[in-house]
Amino acid sequence: GAGVSQSPSNKVTEKGKDVELRCDPISGHTALYWYRQSLGQGLEFLIYFQGNSAPDKSGLPSDRFSAERTGGSVSTLTIQRTQQEDSAVYLCASSLVWSTQETQYFGPGTRLLVL
Amino acid sequence: AQSVTQPDIHITVSEGASLELRCNYSYGATPYLFWYVQSPGQGLQLLLKYFSGDTLVQGIKGFEAEFKRSQSSFNLRKPSVHWSDAAEYFCAVGTLNTGNQFYFGTGTSLTVIP
Repeated sequence: GAGVSQSPSNKVTEKGKDVELRCDPISGHTALYWYRQSLGQGLEFLIYFQGNSAPDKSGLPSDRFSAERTGGSVSTLTIQRTQQEDSAVYLCASSLVWSTQETQYFGPGTRLLVL
Repeated sequence: AQSVTQPDIHITVSEGASLELRCNYSYGATPYLFWYVQSPGQGLQLLLKYFSGDTLVQGIKGFEAEFKRSQSSFNLRKPSVHWSDAAEYFCAVGTLNTGNQFYFGTGTSLTVIP
């Protein structure tokens, strides 16, 4: 597609349930990033992928969070046993290659609400 | 630890007035510096970026930013604000270390009044 897409756009879930958030990067972009944006907070860098590999997972908030990327394209962020503090907007971005010089192109985000 | 500070949570300006949004960073070397804008319901969009060279950088939508090494700052400016500039603005830093390399500020919300 023309831009980064994310689904669902909104997700309401009950505490303790698992959720999956999906990101479709721009075609041909090898790098993919996940961020969390909480109310009144900046963007919290969660994880990035170079191709299908995530070299550093230390940004994930807890072991309830995991992410994978297959085929060098679509990525899924999974949150297990959701907690209310997980409520936030989850943003995905992609760039042509992995580099701290690269422009990141962001999707519209998934707004997650945990009741 | 690296950090990005945007001291102004919210700014209100009149349409046509000039604008300056502040950004300070903490990092041992010169990082890569970015400004992104997030309009309501939209994803973040890059306004401009600085890597090296001329410290005054021009971006899209009439924005510019100036890197000042001595002040560890990268302030965003626009000479004349338009109503469509109302949005959230984020300063970001890309470092050269391994690990988590991107740091975003908490954002500045801009309101433009007619």
